[in-house]
Amino acid sequence: EAGVAQSPRYKIIEKRQSVAFWCNPISGHATLYWYQQILGQGPKLLIQFQNNGVVDDSQLPKDRFSAERLKGVDSTLKIQPAKLEDSAVYLCASSLYPPPPPLGAVATNEKLFFGSGTQLSVL
Amino acid sequence: AQTVTQSQPEMSVQEAETVTLSCTYDTSESDYYLFWYKQPPSRQMILVIRQEAYKQQNATENRFSVNFQKAAKSFSLKISDSQLGDAAMYFCAYRSALWAGANSKLTFGKGITLSVRP
Repeated sequence: EAGVAQSPRYKIIEKRQSVAFWCNPISGHATLYWYQQILGQGPKLLIQFQNNGVVDDSQLPKDRFSAERLKGVDSTLKIQPAKLEDSAVYLCASSLYPPPPPLGAVATNEKLFFGSGTQLSVL
Repeated sequence: AQTVTQSQPEMSVQEAETVTLSCTYDTSESDYYLFWYKQPPSRQMILVIRQEAYKQQNATENRFSVNFQKAAKSFSLKISDSQLGDAAMYFCAYRSALWAGANSKLTFGKGITLSVRP
């Protein structure tokens, strides 16, 4: 089974430039997550898609970050313009998680599959 | 909001010895899941072990086991017979059991760097 694919693996840019990251989740996975992992910290969720709809983007800095998931498959995360504090590893993850049943029903324990991330350095 | 705290930034263990990594969390929910993830230099997150909050029995996976204390909101990972390949960053993570889209996300602690001495 192919895993979650991410590219590029590394990216170095200067501040105020633009950058884009790409993620191809495992085939058939409905849910896709983008996490930001700053050095010395745990991953922080930026945005969550279910199919091609946004479920949670409460921690996405929308003045500079944008993301889309075309046709509910691949996803692109963009930063424009980049700041020094955006230097981090950007992790993509996916899970089978189907559209949810009524609120309050106990979820099955869906496993998240992670890609190897893109390491961004902003100079 | 749920929070996960890992207060030890680094730990070291001798090969073949046992080490325990600590984690505490805060939540008002009664049903949830807890995880330990391993992140080697390749950066890919690897699930080590998971625990359902409604289960009293501590989870085990080969050399890995947890000590889950629900009342104390504590979730430690014990690695027995440590191997050189265990050297990595380890993250404790929380996930709600509520079936609502945004609650399916993982909330991570800051992580701990484990080194294994040969």
